[in-house]
Amino acid sequence: DQQVKQNSPSLSVQEGRISILNCDYTNSMFDYFLWYKKYPAEGPTFLISISSIKDKNEDGRFTVFLNKSAKHLSLHIVPSQPGDSAVYFCAASALASGNQFYFGTGTSLTVIP
Amino acid sequence: NAGVMQNPRHLVRRRGQEARLRCSPMKGHSHVYWYRQLPEEGLKFMVYLQKENIIDESGMPKERFSAEFPKEGPSILRIQQVVRGDSAAYFCASSPGVGGLHEQYFGPGTRLTVT
Repeated sequence: DQQVKQNSPSLSVQEGRISILNCDYTNSMFDYFLWYKKYPAEGPTFLISISSIKDKNEDGRFTVFLNKSAKHLSLHIVPSQPGDSAVYFCAASALASGNQFYFGTGTSLTVIP
Repeated sequence: NAGVMQNPRHLVRRRGQEARLRCSPMKGHSHVYWYRQLPEEGLKFMVYLQKENIIDESGMPKERFSAEFPKEGPSILRIQQVVRGDSAAYFCASSPGVGGLHEQYFGPGTRLTVT
């Protein structure tokens, strides 16, 4: 039962343009969302998070948007750089259930120079 | 300031052998999580531990798998009598965990191959 879904397994974007990665979830109890970036042969590294009391969080080139009514979040990267090429996972958690995170299956982003 | 450390990075076991995966959390972190990533899939939660306690093992297979986080030393994920389907990347993460939700910091993973 996949509670967090990333329906696009891959995405290619030209350098300098915007990358938009999408994530949907089914559990309305989720109240904390994160994006992780993963390079091959490495563990995921934390990128940005958002709690359900907000609808937007920005950190440099990275912005996460949360639409609670649609149970949808997205990660915007602008401008995209070749070094952003990696697999991006979204994750969700419910404070009431402790720190268990549910991960999506990932989207592989390729930024073309 | 070392991050989360996992060893070994690669582990090859024959069917029926035991696999032991070790995880040392970041300094100051008392919460450890184990995840498994099967080929073509996302990370799946296995178990959440604090020192000497298993908090949530709802993602652990009922048989052959066990985890511990002793008072001293690393957390250990043990897989007995491994089968080919256990071949995967096993990631450990840690968090300070106190006072609410925190991002988890991941180790580089252990790639288990069962031949």
